[in-house]
Amino acid sequence: DGGITQSPKYLFRKEGQNVTLSCEQNLNHDAMYWYRQDPGQGLRLIYYSQIVNDFQKGDIAEGYSVSREKKESFPLTVTSAQKNPTAFYLCASSIVGQGYEQFFGPGTRLTVL
Amino acid sequence: AQTVTQSQPEMSVQEAETVTLSCTYDTSESDYYLFWYKQPPSRQMILVIRQEAYKQQNATENRFSVNFQKAAKSFSLKISDSQLGDAAMYFCAYRRRRDDKIIFGKGTRLHILP
Repeated sequence: DGGITQSPKYLFRKEGQNVTLSCEQNLNHDAMYWYRQDPGQGLRLIYYSQIVNDFQKGDIAEGYSVSREKKESFPLTVTSAQKNPTAFYLCASSIVGQGYEQFFGPGTRLTVL
Repeated sequence: AQTVTQSQPEMSVQEAETVTLSCTYDTSESDYYLFWYKQPPSRQMILVIRQEAYKQQNATENRFSVNFQKAAKSFSLKISDSQLGDAAMYFCAYRRRRDDKIIFGKGTRLHILP
């Protein structure tokens, strides 16, 4: 089955630690995205990538970093510089261009203790 | 900058009734796409319906249909014969044709009353 996987489903970290969220897709999509979801805020774009080895900042990139070494993978690192990292994180992918919709993974709930 | 506004944070509807969720957007573009996504309690985002701005005909998917008013920049979602499984958060979203980013509204939480 084609789709997007995110792991882990729940993640706990101590303050001051970096943590990496995994996102993998086998849909052969060129574009991948990371969103943060907070109650009452909708989805806010953190980073996106349209091609391997290239990515752009979204609206709330501060305190986050990404890499895109493979087409299938787009991991997100939440660094200690992110002041309020507790949130639900969603990864998505899409075909580039032509107004295609984005397909989403199941999400990761990150809690900072 | 493009914005998407959902003015109803929460709504309730009786099972089997019809409900309409509102969405307005602001853009200076003429060629774009609009979407409605559903996020049930599992939090998995699911595409409900997609509308291309250059098409005058309103999109329909089974019990889901839209009322697309381009001049008014309005894109409402109508759910007919509401079912318990329709209970979810619904997000309206906008995408320019020449862009790969999607802009989401803040969502409307829909409750279905048995």
